[in-house]
Amino acid sequence: NAGVTQTPKFRVLKTGQSMTLLCAQDMNHEYMYWYRQDPGMGLRLIHYSVGEGTTAKGEVPDGYNVSRLKKQNFLLGLESAAPSQTSVYFCASSLGEGNRLDKNIQYFGAGTRLSVL
Amino acid sequence: RKEVEQDPGPFNVPEGATVAFNCTYSNSASQSFFWYRQDCRKEPKLLMSVYSSGNEDGRFTAQLNRASQYISLLIRDSKLSDSATYLCVVIRSYNTDKLIFGTGTRLQVFP
Repeated sequence: NAGVTQTPKFRVLKTGQSMTLLCAQDMNHEYMYWYRQDPGMGLRLIHYSVGEGTTAKGEVPDGYNVSRLKKQNFLLGLESAAPSQTSVYFCASSLGEGNRLDKNIQYFGAGTRLSVL
Repeated sequence: RKEVEQDPGPFNVPEGATVAFNCTYSNSASQSFFWYRQDCRKEPKLLMSVYSSGNEDGRFTAQLNRASQYISLLIRDSKLSDSATYLCVVIRSYNTDKLIFGTGTRLQVFP
C-alpha cells in the first residue's frame, strides 16, 4: 500500500524553467492538496482539488497551476520558476466526503525539494 | 494574529520526562483538531485526533479546551524517538475541505 507518492524527490531548476510535480494516491481519496513548506512559515496551501476535474486556489496560488484529470493524480506545474519558489512541496490527500469522523485527515507524500537558482 | 499559534520551542527534555505543548486557535467556529508529527526532512504524519472528551493513546494525551480556545498535547515518559516537530491542525467547520496548520513546536529529547 503505497499511499501518496510524489515524484521527483529532488529537483534543481534555473530561473525561468518550467516543471511539473506529480502526486499519485492509491487510497481512492476524493480530495487532494498541494502545500509548500518554508522555514518559519509552516505549511501553506497552494491549490487543492475536491474531485476529478476540479481545482481551487489555496492561500498562495500565484505562479502555480494544477490539474486533476484522473482521481488518483494531482499535478502541480511551475510555468516560469523563480527563486522565491525554492521550497519543499508536499502533496496530501483525504477521504473528503461522507460522514466518517476521519474524512478530513490528510495523508502526505514524502515531499519534493525544489531549488530554483 | 495567526489563526493557529504554537510556541516554536525547542523544548529540550531528558528521557523519561513529561512534556506538554499548547496550541491556541482564534476562530471559535473551529470544529476539528489534530496533532501531526513531522520528523526532520520528512512529511507530516497524523499523531492523533483531538476529541471534545479528550483522547489518549499510550503515552500521548490530547485535550481540547473550547472556552479558552486551545488544544494541548501531553507526552509522558519521553523517548529519544519522540524528538520531532509537533504540528497543531485545526479545521474551521466539519464540512470544510481545508486544514489550518500551526508552524509547529520542536521537541528534542536527550539521553
